[in-house]
Amino acid sequence: AQRVTQPEKLLSVFKGAPVELKCNYSYSGSPELFWYVQYSRQRLQLLLRHISRESIKGFTADLNKGETSFHLKKPFAQEEDSAMYYCALMNAGNMLTFGGGTRLMVKP
Amino acid sequence: DAMVIQNPRYQVTQFGKPVTLSCSQTLNHNVMYWYQQKSSQAPKLLFHYYDKDFNNEADTPDNFQSRRPNTSFCFLDIRSPGLGDAAMYLCATSTRQDNYEQYFGPGTRLTVT
Repeated sequence: AQRVTQPEKLLSVFKGAPVELKCNYSYSGSPELFWYVQYSRQRLQLLLRHISRESIKGFTADLNKGETSFHLKKPFAQEEDSAMYYCALMNAGNMLTFGGGTRLMVKP
Repeated sequence: DAMVIQNPRYQVTQFGKPVTLSCSQTLNHNVMYWYQQKSSQAPKLLFHYYDKDFNNEADTPDNFQSRRPNTSFCFLDIRSPGLGDAAMYLCATSTRQDNYEQYFGPGTRLTVT
């Protein structure tokens, strides 16, 4: 069975501070990991996926198979980054399992 | 703009009264999904269609049914809503050409009175 864990329900930082949203997974196969974001009153949307190795809005995430982690990082948080962030794992059948989500609050 | 549309955005139904939520897409994606998201929880997959093939998750209650009359539309039917079915219901679509990246609709918030 696959599982995605986001240990922090809420992460509060000041503007300009570094941000790290933690994500750990368990999956017996070769995982494909994603970060989705949901801004206030907007739909859930893809932020980044590990296979594309892109940096989106200053966010990066590296898949660490040894630690089974896919933490999301940004060196300098902005107020507009305040949102709900979900880590998700896609299995071999192309189905997503979501973590419980972390609410990021960036204070001015 | 190609997109995923859900109607209505807010739905109130009575305990035990059947309700239908709808989803439409202009992306021409062949895969469509329905998720249930309760307050402060992760989205949970209920079922999905791969083209016309229906795939039910093992723990999806029998109370939940779905129809996909064509590529563009997909419906979620709740036959006898209970108070525990109050949630946000999300529709999503994907296609192999996009490596199955899922595109989500805005959701329908269901209230059961």
